[in-house]
Amino acid sequence: GQNIDQPTEMTATEGAIVQINCTYQTSGFNGLFWYQQHAGEAPTFLSYNVLDGLEEKGRFSSFLSRSKGYSYLLLKELQMKDSASYLCAVRDSNYQLIWGAGTKLIIKP
Amino acid sequence: TAGITQAPTSQILAAGRSMTLRCTQDMRHNAMYWYRQDLGLGLRLIHYSNTAGTTGKGEVPDGYSVSRANTDDFPLTLASAVPSQTSVYFCASSDDSNQPQHFGDGTRLSIL
Repeated sequence: GQNIDQPTEMTATEGAIVQINCTYQTSGFNGLFWYQQHAGEAPTFLSYNVLDGLEEKGRFSSFLSRSKGYSYLLLKELQMKDSASYLCAVRDSNYQLIWGAGTKLIIKP
Repeated sequence: TAGITQAPTSQILAAGRSMTLRCTQDMRHNAMYWYRQDLGLGLRLIHYSNTAGTTGKGEVPDGYSVSRANTDDFPLTLASAVPSQTSVYFCASSDDSNQPQHFGDGTRLSIL
């Protein structure tokens, strides 16, 4: 079967750094996406990795290791507005997205 | 602002009734998708369409049907609603299956 694992919830302090991990087992791999979803809102696209390594986009970075079936999202200089759920999704051999349940990130002052 | 529009925003429906959730995009994206999101679970694909005139089944298609008569519209129909279809439904689109998906604001559906 196909499986995406992420921690259910994480807590971090404003101004700090947090790393959200995602491990996957899918039938084929054609890229990994990270989305942000604020409560009651739609998911919005954050980052995309298809090759191993780090992709940096402002305060957010995403890392991929295909051999380990592993990715992480790194958020720096945390702000209160970063409180949200972060969704990991893998595009499988059929080019469909398989989604993790999401990690709820709570930012404390 | 351009994007994806879903209607209605929320709905309470009696079990056994039919319902069509509407989705319209103005980005001229080829691919469109319907997901349901339930607490503690990831988004699950119901149906998809890679281009106008074609549709495909996702992970949880039973009890749902779709049509794609043109590029912009992708309605989702529940023929005879059951309580297990209570969920938040998201429509999404992408230029093609290689591109990130853009989501509508969702429809919160409760089946009683």
